[in-house]
Amino acid sequence: GAVVSQHPSWVICKSGTSVKIECRSLDFQATTMFWYRQFPKQSLMLMATSNEGSKATYEQGVEKDKFLINHASLTLSTLTVTSAHPEDSSFYICSALTQGNYPDEQYFGPGTRLTVT
Amino acid sequence: GQNIDQPTEMTATEGAIVQINCTYQTSGFNGLFWYQQHAGEAPTFLSYNVLDGLEEKGRFSSFLSRSKGYSYLLLKELQMKDSASYLCAAMDSNYQLIWGAGTKLIIKP
Repeated sequence: GAVVSQHPSWVICKSGTSVKIECRSLDFQATTMFWYRQFPKQSLMLMATSNEGSKATYEQGVEKDKFLINHASLTLSTLTVTSAHPEDSSFYICSALTQGNYPDEQYFGPGTRLTVT
Repeated sequence: GQNIDQPTEMTATEGAIVQINCTYQTSGFNGLFWYQQHAGEAPTFLSYNVLDGLEEKGRFSSFLSRSKGYSYLLLKELQMKDSASYLCAAMDSNYQLIWGAGTKLIIKP
């Protein structure tokens, strides 16, 4: 089956620094990847849709200058949290969309737990 | 607007059957997904329905009624390891998943 990896799996950083999270589709090409964040005991919140070779589409309320997304290839998308603050501490999950197979499905990475101190 | 509704929490007994309901409203429809999520982990895929009817996969079954905007996930022969959150998500015409808040399922011995 389709496998999506994320790196790092967890990270602790100081307030004001930037953190980059990588999302890779290991055995398939993904023209579309999604970035989610999830706070404890809450559902996933879509942050942005990342399309290879074009600018990401951000959901309302998500600051595109703070959460930089780059989808440089068909197997890699990155999310950079710039000038991180404690309120950015969350579980960040990416998913990659497979198309052309039934069903069109999102495969999730294992998630990255970010703690900002 | 787009919306997914499912119960916040359910409790069931080991060995029993439980049905988790989900209603949805989306712009376009490309299928209804159910995911299982254990605490601290990413969701894992359980089932997909795009046509009306029941899809059975082992102990888990999922049902869809497109005319009613309704789905349910049926879990049989409950095991303690089934304690998790179950997320209902509908895929809209842009292939984006619209997520429910999840149903926390508590299994008691």
